[in-house]
Amino acid sequence: AQSVTQLGSHVSVSEGALVLLRCNYSSSVPPYLFWYVQYPNQGLQLLLKYTTGATLVKGINGFEAEFKKSETSFHLTKPSAHMSDAAEYFCAVSKSGGSNYKLTFGKGTLLTVNP
Amino acid sequence: DSGVTQTPKHLITATGQRVTLRCSPRSGDLSVYWYQQSLDQGLQFLIQYYNGEERAKGNILERFSAQQFPDLHSELNLSSLELGDSALYFCASSVVAGGPSSTDTQYFGPGTRLTVL
Repeated sequence: AQSVTQLGSHVSVSEGALVLLRCNYSSSVPPYLFWYVQYPNQGLQLLLKYTTGATLVKGINGFEAEFKKSETSFHLTKPSAHMSDAAEYFCAVSKSGGSNYKLTFGKGTLLTVNP
Repeated sequence: DSGVTQTPKHLITATGQRVTLRCSPRSGDLSVYWYQQSLDQGLQFLIQYYNGEERAKGNILERFSAQQFPDLHSELNLSSLELGDSALYFCASSVVAGGPSSTDTQYFGPGTRLTVL
C-alpha cells in the first residue's frame, strides 16, 4: 500500500520568504509523485510531477520539488512567496506502470502568506 | 480551466435521498476517476473507469455506484444519503496509455459540493 505524510497542516510565511512544504511517501514500488494546489472553492490544479529521470522537477508558478529516494521525500519549494500562493497544497503518490494510476493524497498543507 | 466539467456545482438534499453527479472528461481522455474530499477523511479515491469499464475501486461505499457511458462521460450515484456523505466530490480524467513504462496525469474538475441535511 502507498501512503503520503505531509508534515505541517499549516505553514505561514512572509511575502518574499522561502516556501518549503514537506512531503514523505511510502511505496513498495517506484512511485510517481505529484503536487497539486487547491485555491478556495476550486478544484485541484497540478503544480508538478515526478515520474522518472531528473530528480529536480520544475513546475508552474515558480515551484519546484526534488525527489530523494533515500529519504523517501518530495518536498515542494519556492524561493520567494507571493500573496497569490496562499492556498492548500496536496502531495500525492501513484504507482508506476500498469493502467491504474489512482492517487493517494496526503492530508494537505494550508499555506498562508503574510504581507 | 482543466477541461473537465462537473455538474451540478452544488447539491443540497435530505438524508435518505438519492443523487447523481455528472462528469465530462477532457476531450480524448478515456479514464475517469472519482474522489471524495471531506474534512475528516481528506481526499480519497473512490473508483476509476477506463473506456466504459470499471478499472479500480477504492473506499467506495456499497450505497455508491458509478458508470461510464459510451460518450465517456461518467455519473456517480449516491443513494440512501447520510449526513456523513456531505463532501466535495471531484472527478478527474486522464489518458491512460498502459504498459509498464507509461505515465499519466490526472486533471481535476471543479467538484460538486454535496450537502446532506
